[in-house]
Amino acid sequence: EDQVTQSPEALRLQEGESSSLNCSYTVSGLRGLFWYRQDPGKGPEFLFTLYSAGEEKEKERLKATLTKKESFLHITAPKPEDSATYLCAVGGRGNTPLVFGKGTRLSVIA
Amino acid sequence: DADVTQTPRNRITKTGKRIMLECSQTKGHDRMYWYRQDPGLGLRLIYYSFDVKDINKGEISDGYSVSRQAQAKFSLSLESAIPNQTALYFCATGSGGLYNEQFFGPGTRLTVL
Repeated sequence: EDQVTQSPEALRLQEGESSSLNCSYTVSGLRGLFWYRQDPGKGPEFLFTLYSAGEEKEKERLKATLTKKESFLHITAPKPEDSATYLCAVGGRGNTPLVFGKGTRLSVIA
Repeated sequence: DADVTQTPRNRITKTGKRIMLECSQTKGHDRMYWYRQDPGLGLRLIYYSFDVKDINKGEISDGYSVSRQAQAKFSLSLESAIPNQTALYFCATGSGGLYNEQFFGPGTRLTVL
């Protein structure tokens, strides 16, 4: 059974204090690992797809990396507007739907 | 215009009432999904559809039904709403194939009294 575990559940940072969010996964045949950002009461917003170990993708202050067992979302010099819940999901073989983690709730304090 | 739209955005109803939530998309995707989100429980899959003739149960389908009226439309019904169905409901679409990203609608906040 495909599984995704995100840690920590919540993270509080000062503005400018860089950190990383973790997504550990087990999946039978990884087709893709996905990161989403979700603001309170809104739908998840797609950020990145990673397909193979060693791959990295960047967007503004965010960089996602992938190994065979986990993915990290690195946040460099965060700003208050980066405050949100970040969701990780994996897609396995065949037509199975994505499996989502429960998310990390990030708060960035000015 | 948004690629994935959901109606209504907010709904308050009473126990026992029948409720329909609607989703439409302009992304041209074949795959559509319904999720609910509760605090501390994350996103849970209710139903999904890979094309108009294909409907599949997800993790928590009891108490729900769906209809795929067209490639672009996927509706979720609560036949007899109960208070523990109070949640945020999201529709999502996906193209499947090599690129399996899903794209979410803005959500419907449903309260069952």
